[in-house]
Amino acid sequence: DGGITQSPKYLFRKEGQNVTLSCEQNLNHDAMYWYRQDPGQGLRLIYYSQIVNDFQKGDIAEGYSVSREKKESFPLTVTSAQKNPTAFYLCASSIDGLANEQFFGPGTRLTVL
Amino acid sequence: GQNIDQPTEMTATEGAIVQINCTYQTSGFNGLFWYQQHAGEAPTFLSYNVLDGLEEKGRFSSFLSRSKGYSYLLLKELQMKDSASYLCAVRGNYGQNFVFGPGTRLSVLP
Repeated sequence: DGGITQSPKYLFRKEGQNVTLSCEQNLNHDAMYWYRQDPGQGLRLIYYSQIVNDFQKGDIAEGYSVSREKKESFPLTVTSAQKNPTAFYLCASSIDGLANEQFFGPGTRLTVL
Repeated sequence: GQNIDQPTEMTATEGAIVQINCTYQTSGFNGLFWYQQHAGEAPTFLSYNVLDGLEEKGRFSSFLSRSKGYSYLLLKELQMKDSASYLCAVRGNYGQNFVFGPGTRLSVLP
């Protein structure tokens, strides 16, 4: 079965610690995205990558970092510089950067204590 | 700038019809998208409009008026499982990333 996986589903961290969220896809998609979702707000784009070894900042990239060393993987690191990291994080992919449909992973709910 | 508005919450009765509106202001336009998201889950794609008019897909239809910056999602024969948030998203220029609205939380009551 093809799809996108994110792990873990729930994550707890202490303030000041960096944490890395995993995102893997076996859909052979070129483009991958990271979104953040807060209550009452829409999805906001953090970073995106249209091809391996290349990525671009989205609207709210400050305090986050990513890498795209493999086509299948697009991990997101939430650094201690992110002032309000508690949120629901969604990873998505599409065939390429021009595709209309994005496929989303199940999400990771991060809580920073 | 880019701005997308949707009602925050709506309530409807099982078997009824409900219309969820979305208004947008974006620099450039290359498509409007509707996604469904159940609580705590990933959004799933519902529909795509790039030309004015109505697109029908089973119980769901989506309408677009580009001149008015307006779209709606129409859900017919509502079922309890339709209780979810409905996200409106717009792509500005071709190839640009999507901008999502805040979502409308729909509750379907028996």
